Amino acid sequence: GENVEQHPSTLSVQEGDSAVIKCTYSDSASNYFPWYKQELGKGPQLIIDIRSNVGEKKDQRIAVTLNKTAKHFSLHITETQPEDSAVYFCAASPGGNNRLAFGKGNQVVVIP
Amino acid sequence: DAGVIQSPRHEVTEMGQEVTLRCKPISGHNSLFWYRQTMMRGLELLIYFNNNVPIDDSGMPEDRFSAKMPNASFSTLKIQPSEPRDSAVYFCASTPTGLNYGYTFGSGTRLTVV
Repeated sequence: GENVEQHPSTLSVQEGDSAVIKCTYSDSASNYFPWYKQELGKGPQLIIDIRSNVGEKKDQRIAVTLNKTAKHFSLHITETQPEDSAVYFCAASPGGNNRLAFGKGNQVVVIP
Repeated sequence: DAGVIQSPRHEVTEMGQEVTLRCKPISGHNSLFWYRQTMMRGLELLIYFNNNVPIDDSGMPEDRFSAKMPNASFSTLKIQPSEPRDSAVYFCASTPTGLNYGYTFGSGTRLTVV
């Protein structure tokens, strides 16, 4: 089955700087890659996703890039703010059965 | 839409007792997933349903765990008897069936077994 790994496990950035989280996946058939943000005491919330027919997608301060050849995708957060502090999960889906394989999560801490 | 609704938000029970967690998916979402989250293991998929039918329950830890989806708007996850190692946050998520969409998660149930 699909195996998703995230790096680094914890990331601390100064407010205003950029944060990048990278994920790798194992199944070349995967074609859907969502990112989730989980704040303390809440469930994961979908913040952005990308499909395998595009290489990059942006939504305000967040963007996701996909490299299918290398089988990795990354989340980019620009101009970080304290409210960006959370755990971020990446996931991948080979498609067909709606099943997502999640990474272990990254703790992002934005230092004011 | 109220989103995925889970109840209760918190549950504290004694070892050996039966625990029932409840989930109401988003209307029109035909796939429903139960996850368990712990610090050690992260998000673990326990079971998922398509159109009320269990598709894969290979993540259910043992026979003490069971899940049902009697109709499109309700699912339960039951633990009987509960054990301290079952303490975790349990999430329910739903999504439309057939295409890849991001899941919508509920707020979770924090279970503590003492």
